[in-house]
Amino acid sequence: DSGVTQTPKHLITATGQRVTLRCSPRSGDLSVYWYQQSLDQGLQFLIQYYNGEERAKGNILERFSAQQFPDLHSELNLSSLELGDSALYFCASSVVASPYNEQFFGPGTRLTVL
Amino acid sequence: KNEVEQSPQNLTAQEGEFITINCSYSVGISALHWLQQHPGGGIVSLFMLSSGKKKHGRLIATINIQEKHSSLHITASHPRDSAVYICAVMNRDDKIIFGKGTRLHILP
Repeated sequence: DSGVTQTPKHLITATGQRVTLRCSPRSGDLSVYWYQQSLDQGLQFLIQYYNGEERAKGNILERFSAQQFPDLHSELNLSSLELGDSALYFCASSVVASPYNEQFFGPGTRLTVL
Repeated sequence: KNEVEQSPQNLTAQEGEFITINCSYSVGISALHWLQQHPGGGIVSLFMLSSGKKKHGRLIATINIQEKHSSLHITASHPRDSAVYICAVMNRDDKIIFGKGTRLHILP
């Protein structure tokens, strides 16, 4: 158990809908990363937050947005869902924003868009 | 060409064999991570490297910054080492780029 929690574990929804994925980092970790893992693209970095502020942005679509709240939990919002958004979404946390720190991964949320 | 290339894509070996997984990258990096993804999907960070070599149990990771290459070695491999091993680099803009992974299967 990494100490990172993600909810829900599974989510099934329809095209065009909007969903919110939630991540609670390990106690004491200030940095949260979001990743998408699909069968054809593999793992992709979406976005990083550190202590409530956006720190780095990867291949995140404009239909997706994220935020980190004062209690350090983070949410990833996916809107106007398409079939291709079906994937595993992982969050990870680390103590600080530095790339030299180990990241601890949550168990993932499996999103299925029908 | 992908910015992070791993080889081999798939590897099957007998228990006890010495395993090497390679990662080559084409961008300037600040750090390189090796991750392990279990068949159930969970991801564990194995190593973070910015230079040299690190060892943890039967796992050894090396990086050659000049050659833009890293290797992950597993000594005395065991069926429980069967997993997907993923190389990830952090570029100078702190963006993380992943390799496609190496699927390792250790036969008892």
